Amino acid sequence: AQSVTQLDSQVPVFEEAPVELRCNYSSSVSVYLFWYVQYPNQGLQLLLKYLSGSTLVKGINGFEAEFNKSQTSFHLRKPSVHISDTAEYFCAVRGDSWGKLQFGAGTQVVVTP
Amino acid sequence: DGGITQSPKYLFRKEGQNVTLSCEQNLNHDAMYWYRQDPGQGLRLIYYSQIVNDFQKGDIAEGYSVSREKKESFPLTVTSAQKNPTAFYLCASSIDPGEAFFGQGTRLTVV
Repeated sequence: AQSVTQLDSQVPVFEEAPVELRCNYSSSVSVYLFWYVQYPNQGLQLLLKYLSGSTLVKGINGFEAEFNKSQTSFHLRKPSVHISDTAEYFCAVRGDSWGKLQFGAGTQVVVTP
Repeated sequence: DGGITQSPKYLFRKEGQNVTLSCEQNLNHDAMYWYRQDPGQGLRLIYYSQIVNDFQKGDIAEGYSVSREKKESFPLTVTSAQKNPTAFYLCASSIDPGEAFFGQGTRLTVV
């Protein structure tokens, strides 16, 4: 079984400042990792994914994440945020066998001028 | 355009009623999922299905039922046994090992 912990429930950040959203997971098997963004009253949109290969993954809208197997982490970063990045962000994990996709509790990012 | 369609967008249920939420996908994905979202609790898995005519309980299946008679469709019924059904419901589909694609959600309110 897998589980996901997002360490911050809310992250306030000023426009053009960098942001890091932390995600740790636990799993007894190899995993696939994902970050999603959700705007109010909408579904989830994929930002980026780690399936295999390079541990530094680049996604849409200038986001990137680094898979760290020894620390079981998959932190999301953006070097300079915009007002439009205000949203909720979810980290998710799936084990390498067929099965369910497990989500963290989410991190609300609030960008202010 | 390929995607996942959830309907209705808003749904109101009276106490003691069963209601069914629709989810249709034309992505040719084998796996489909239903999640419930409550403020501050992230997404919790209700049911998932890996192939037609097969489905598995998730973490909070009590008070819910599903069917998977066709690859494209995975309807969720919220029964009267679900005591606190007011929530945002999200349907998703995926191929292994890729990402899940989500619908726009159904907001269910008990009146």
